[in-house]
Amino acid sequence: GAVVSQHPSRVICKSGTSVKIECRSLDFQATTMFWYRQFPKKSLMLMATSNEGSKATYEQGVEKDKFLINHASLTLSTLTVTSAHPEDSSFYICSATNPQGLGTEAFFGQGTRLTVV
Amino acid sequence: EDQVTQSPEALRLQEGESSSLNCSYTVSGLRGLFWYRQDPGKGPEFLFTLYSAGEEKEKERLKATLTKKESFLHITAPKPEDSATYLCAVQGLRAGGTSYGKLTFGQGTILTVHP
Repeated sequence: GAVVSQHPSRVICKSGTSVKIECRSLDFQATTMFWYRQFPKKSLMLMATSNEGSKATYEQGVEKDKFLINHASLTLSTLTVTSAHPEDSSFYICSATNPQGLGTEAFFGQGTRLTVV
Repeated sequence: EDQVTQSPEALRLQEGESSSLNCSYTVSGLRGLFWYRQDPGKGPEFLFTLYSAGEEKEKERLKATLTKKESFLHITAPKPEDSATYLCAVQGLRAGGTSYGKLTFGQGTILTVHP
């Protein structure tokens, strides 16, 4: 399967600071990338959909000013958690897909464990 | 709105004891149903995509089947290394037959296989 790399895998930051998470598709061009959040022992909750070169589409209840998403190229999307607070601590996962090239499959990064102290 | 329900929430098996995981779904138009495996602290690992009722796919000890309302993931003679959370997700179609591309996930089944 295709490879999606997410970085960093773990990050600890102080409350009030911002954190950037990168998601890269290594061997294919990802026209669409998705950002998910996962709470312990819970399933993945979609936060937003980003298409290369356009604004991200956020799911209901997700603050777009807090979770900034940029998809500037076909291989890179970033999620920036701005002014992080302890309640933002979670496991964030990205996925990438290319409906034209790969069909319907979405491939996932390894996830980022964010801890805000 | 697309919905996915997985059962059971947790399943404990002895090594070699075959069983099945269930994924029930409702979707306005199904583009694909996906099975993923997730290990603790890792992202989901793609297993299968099923597109139409009656379709089956196999990979090692795993076999996925699909009907119009549900999918099963059959595990034959499982080994301890099969222990993981198994996630089911659907991708729906929108008007015009295209897809948003986004997946709706079930809550997962935590599988534990004891030696």
